[in-house]
Amino acid sequence: RKEVEQDPGPFNVPEGATVAFNCTYSNSASQSFFWYRQDCRKEPKLLMSVYSSGNEDGRFTAQLNRASQYISLLIRDSKLSDSATYLCVVNGASGTYKYIFGTGTRLKVLA
Amino acid sequence: SQTIHQWPATLVQPVGSPLSLECTVEGTSNPNLYWYRQAAGRGLQLLFYSVGIGQISSEVPQNLSASRPQDRQFILSSKKLLLSDSGFYLCAGDDRGSTDTQYFGPGTRLTVL
Repeated sequence: RKEVEQDPGPFNVPEGATVAFNCTYSNSASQSFFWYRQDCRKEPKLLMSVYSSGNEDGRFTAQLNRASQYISLLIRDSKLSDSATYLCVVNGASGTYKYIFGTGTRLKVLA
Repeated sequence: SQTIHQWPATLVQPVGSPLSLECTVEGTSNPNLYWYRQAAGRGLQLLFYSVGIGQISSEVPQNLSASRPQDRQFILSSKKLLLSDSGFYLCAGDDRGSTDTQYFGPGTRLTVL
């Protein structure tokens, strides 16, 4: 089993749609969780951290489910500019320096 | 917040040639630093990380090496490139536990011919 798993997609959605991605992780001792966005041929950029209580930033909502070991990202009212690959990232147990990246979920928002 | 600088942006090198990629960090002191490689259509593979000057941990045995001669400088090297070394090389730093957030440089796209 991969340490971090994501559905590669692509998810093709119309503008204005709501889309959700899930990501599962295998290490129950993981401490920190993030969603990054990566545009084609560019570096990953932090989209949001994921807190135990869940967090929201505008049209983006992230949730963490420790019992089932998954995190989710919900995008409401999709824009063309949301088209990108979304990377799930999990930091290992305390004292390690390893960020484990999923292979990403590709989103295409269509006009 | 910190800024990660990398150069060059693109590089084409023949097989067997040496490599040196440099990464510098601005806006923070004593960061943890990382080198990743991303092959086309693939996820990020951690190559090296460093918690301080002269301290390098290698994650993947290969013909690459890393050095950290200064607090905010991280260098990736090879004596002889292989075709399989082609990829997108990314340097990243984090704020050492403050938020555990990693920030990436713009990357170097390396093609080995």
